[in-house]
Amino acid sequence: ETGVTQSPTHLIKTRGQQVTLRCSSQSGHNTVSWYQQALGQGPQFIFQYYREEENGRGNFPPRFSGLQFPNYSSELNVNALELDDSALYLCASSHRQGRGNAGELFFGEGSRLTVL
Amino acid sequence: RKEVEQDPGPFNVPEGATVAFNCTYSNSASQSFFWYRQDCRKEPKLLMSVYSSGNEDGRFTAQLNRASQYISLLIRDSKLSDSATYLCVVNRWQAGTALIFGKGTTLSVSS
Repeated sequence: ETGVTQSPTHLIKTRGQQVTLRCSSQSGHNTVSWYQQALGQGPQFIFQYYREEENGRGNFPPRFSGLQFPNYSSELNVNALELDDSALYLCASSHRQGRGNAGELFFGEGSRLTVL
Repeated sequence: RKEVEQDPGPFNVPEGATVAFNCTYSNSASQSFFWYRQDCRKEPKLLMSVYSSGNEDGRFTAQLNRASQYISLLIRDSKLSDSATYLCVVNRWQAGTALIFGKGTTLSVSS
């Protein structure tokens, strides 16, 4: 158990809908990252939040957005869902000190999204 | 070309075998390097960090060659419980941690 919890664990949406995925980070962690893992692929970095601000972003369109709350939990929002958005969405928390690299990432078990 | 490339696999080996995974990365600015393990339908978990001097953790040995931009993982005396997907990972971001994952290599150890 990593202490990182995600919800929901599974969900089904249709094209064009919007989805919100939630993540509670491990106690003491101040940084949350989101990754998308399509079937048969490695996880792909979506973005990272540090101190409630987006701190870096991968190659994902603006319809992927997020939030980090004062308690360091986070949400991933995806608008105008497409079939290719079907994937496992992984949240990872870590602790970053100042300008240094964040420490080891601890992943949640993921939210499996199916878009029909 | 993908930023992190791994042997396609799958690797099917008997118990007790030694197996080696190779990985190359394209961004010379990459900061740190890791091997993660992912069991079927589970989240990735850190197996070990990789250093230029090489590092060993029990039956697992990892090596980094920065000049060749090459990373390796050696598993000795394979166990059934080693069956999983092994992900080669680099962190290319100084201001935080943006892990770039390879596609993964699947290992199946049989008795």
